[in-house]
Amino acid sequence: DAGVTQSPTHLIKTRGQQVTLRCSPKSGHDTVSWYQQALGQGPQFIFQYYEEEERQRGNFPDRFSGHQFPNYSSELNVNALLLGDSALYLCASSIQEGSGTGELFFGEGSRLTVL
Amino acid sequence: DAKTTQPPSMDCAEGRAANLPCNHSTISGNEYVYWYRQIHSQGPQYIIHGLKNNETNEMASLIITEDRKSSTLILPHATLRDTAVYYCIVRVNWSARQLTFGSGTQLTVLP
Repeated sequence: DAGVTQSPTHLIKTRGQQVTLRCSPKSGHDTVSWYQQALGQGPQFIFQYYEEEERQRGNFPDRFSGHQFPNYSSELNVNALLLGDSALYLCASSIQEGSGTGELFFGEGSRLTVL
Repeated sequence: DAKTTQPPSMDCAEGRAANLPCNHSTISGNEYVYWYRQIHSQGPQYIIHGLKNNETNEMASLIITEDRKSSTLILPHATLRDTAVYYCIVRVNWSARQLTFGSGTQLTVLP
């Protein structure tokens, strides 16, 4: 059973460019959340997608946008990249409703470097 | 969600119990305590969670004080592979998927 998979694992962009990161949730999960983790800090919540809609959003500008597809996979898009966007971007999947521990399953992340 | 306070770092000898404290003095009655850990260059991993009773699973034990203002995560027999950053997180209920991570505790298990 594959867990959460993210791609690409590493990428380098320059300021002003746009980037798209992809995430496939764990089998059976319908909710995807995205987190940004700067070096030496804990992950920060960006937003959550369920039923192809953004359900919750953290304190991130509109340059950060996302999408969820009918197969529950998700994309994170960041426009007009800034140096400060350099970070590890983590995808987490979960089940929105029903029984379970409510835990989130995280992928290994996509490390973005903005030059 | 209530704010948590954890020591920035701790060491533990391999084979000994690792006891990681967390203060959450402003916790509300309907807030759960969750623990995650993050091994270097990997995504965070769920460990355990609890509301008011002590909990145990195959990974760890969670001890929550009676007033619920603090808790302790116990790794009974720490191994080198337990070296990681451990995050204590308090949130309203299990169905609220957003997690608010602090800085966590860097646990280093020494040989």
